Amino acid sequence: RKEVEQDPGPFNVPEGATVAFNCTYSNSASQSFFWYRQDCRKEPKLLMSVYSSGNEDGRFTAQLNRASQYISLLIRDSKLSDSATYLCVISGSARQLTFGSGTQLTVLP
Amino acid sequence: DTEVTQTPKHLVMGMTNKKSLKCEQHMGHRAMYWYKQKAKKPPELMFVYSYEKLSINESVPSRFSPECPNSSLLNLHLHALQPEDSALYLCASSQDSYSSYEQYFGPGTRLTVT
Repeated sequence: RKEVEQDPGPFNVPEGATVAFNCTYSNSASQSFFWYRQDCRKEPKLLMSVYSSGNEDGRFTAQLNRASQYISLLIRDSKLSDSATYLCVISGSARQLTFGSGTQLTVLP
Repeated sequence: DTEVTQTPKHLVMGMTNKKSLKCEQHMGHRAMYWYKQKAKKPPELMFVYSYEKLSINESVPSRFSPECPNSSLLNLHLHALQPEDSALYLCASSQDSYSSYEQYFGPGTRLTVT
């Protein structure tokens, strides 16, 4: 089983839609959780950290479920500029980042 | 905008060449990283420097040689590369490598080995 698993998509959604991504992880000792976005041929950029209490940043909401070992990202009112690959990233006990394979999102006009 | 810079943006080199990739961060971070990313794949960790000392080498071939001259700079020296080494090379930094701090990536160097 992979350490971090994501649905690769692609997710094609119309503008204004709500879309959710899930990511499961296998190491119960994982310490920190992040969502990064990566545009085509660009570097990954930190979108948000994910906390046990859940956190929200504008149209983006991230949640962590330690019991079921998954994190989620919800994007409301999708914009064309949200089109990117979303990477689930976990920091384990060794403090190094493990990346999921990424979920590709395309927001259509 | 990113506070991690990388040069060059693009590099084409032959298998007998020697070249270097450079990375600089201005955030006072004490951990710096090299990653390799192939198309449609996530980044793969190569090296970790913590407080200017190499702390992790993910079994990277010796044709890749990292160097950390000071806490702001990280180099990756390349020698006798193979065509399969063509990839996007990303540098990242974080506050340190012992806590679960976020990593910030530079724009990368797109390397082509001919």
